[in-house]
Amino acid sequence: AQSVAQPEDQVNVAEGNPLTVKCTYSVSGNPYLFWYVQYPNRGLQFLLKYITGDNLVKGSYGFEAEFNKSQTSFHLKKPSALVSDSALYFCAVRAYGGSQGNLIFGKGTKLSVKP
Amino acid sequence: DVKVTQSSRYLVKRTGEKVFLECVQDMDHENMFWYRQDPGLGLRLIYFSYDVKMKEKGDIPEGYSVSREKKERFSLILESASTNQTSMYLCASSLSSSTYEQYFGPGTRLTVT
Repeated sequence: AQSVAQPEDQVNVAEGNPLTVKCTYSVSGNPYLFWYVQYPNRGLQFLLKYITGDNLVKGSYGFEAEFNKSQTSFHLKKPSALVSDSALYFCAVRAYGGSQGNLIFGKGTKLSVKP
Repeated sequence: DVKVTQSSRYLVKRTGEKVFLECVQDMDHENMFWYRQDPGLGLRLIYFSYDVKMKEKGDIPEGYSVSREKKERFSLILESASTNQTSMYLCASSLSSSTYEQYFGPGTRLTVT
């Protein structure tokens, strides 16, 4: 079965420090992986995706993610966190089979960046 | 830019009422989706549609139905609202079944009392 896991419900970092939000996946074929961000009382916004190619993917707002096939991980990173990065982050993987075009989302990780 | 709009940001309904949630996208996308979002459960797919008048059940379709009469519009219907349907409802669209990037509306927070 396809799945995606975000092992941390919440991540706390100090402003200016690097941040990492973790994601691991389980799929039967080549993974298409996504990160989305949700600010309070808003819909989800696309941050970045990995389809193929370079394992380090750069996205919006200075975020990047590293695809690691051997560890089946796709962690979201940023070198220097901002207070405005505080939000809910979702990792997602494409579904296979009869659910073409669908994404399977993780449960989300709340990122809190303190001044 | 793709724009996905939802008819209401906040909605309060009574138990047993029929509820309509509307979603419109302006980029000629083929696929449209309805999710509900609950704390600790993430996003769960209710229904999706890959073409006009076509619909497929997602993971939690019970108590819901959908309608897609026009390509740009996808409606979610709660036939008889119940308190356990109190949630945030998110609509999304994607260009086609070979492009997976989804664009989301702002969400409708529905409270059923």
